[in-house]
Amino acid sequence: DGGITQSPKYLFRKEGQNVTLSCEQNLNHDAMYWYRQDPGQGLRLIYYSQIVNDFQKGDIAEGYSVSREKKESFPLTVTSAQKNPTAFYLCASSIQLAGDEQYFGPGTRLTVT
Amino acid sequence: DAKTTQPTSMDCAEGRAANLPCNHSTISGNEYVYWYRQIHSQGPQYIIHGLKNNETNEMASLIITEDRKSSTLILPHATLRDTAVYYCIVRSWGKSSGDKLTFGTGTRLAVRP
Repeated sequence: DGGITQSPKYLFRKEGQNVTLSCEQNLNHDAMYWYRQDPGQGLRLIYYSQIVNDFQKGDIAEGYSVSREKKESFPLTVTSAQKNPTAFYLCASSIQLAGDEQYFGPGTRLTVT
Repeated sequence: DAKTTQPTSMDCAEGRAANLPCNHSTISGNEYVYWYRQIHSQGPQYIIHGLKNNETNEMASLIITEDRKSSTLILPHATLRDTAVYYCIVRSWGKSSGDKLTFGTGTRLAVRP
């Protein structure tokens, strides 16, 4: 089955720790994205990547970092500099950066205490 | 991307048509209307998109007014599994510095038995 996987579904961390969220796709998509969703809110773009070894900041990149060493993988690190890291994190991919439908993973719910 | 306005919530009876409106009065000529939905705690799911003609697929129909300032998503025979938050998004087509889906707060549709 082709699709996007995110793991784990739920993640708990102590304040001050960095944490990396996994996102893998086997759709052979060039573009990948990370969004954050807070309760009752829409999605906000954190980072996106058009091709391997390239990525750009989205609307709320502060306190986050990404890498794109392989086409199928786009991990997101939530650093200790992120002031409010508790949220639902969604990864998506599309064939190309512009114009194509984005396919979303199931999400990771991160709780930092 | 142009801003969209949707009702906060709606409900309809199971088996009846659900008509979800969206206003996008500032839409420009090259912007498409996209619809996604999100079932609780899952990633958003693409439903349909269109430019100016009405569109239909296996999930829904999209009716866009002639002036393109508003549109309606129609689920012809709503089921309980259609209960979700529905997002109307206006999106430019083509390469840009940051192609992204800008999600508002959407319409929470409740399908009643």
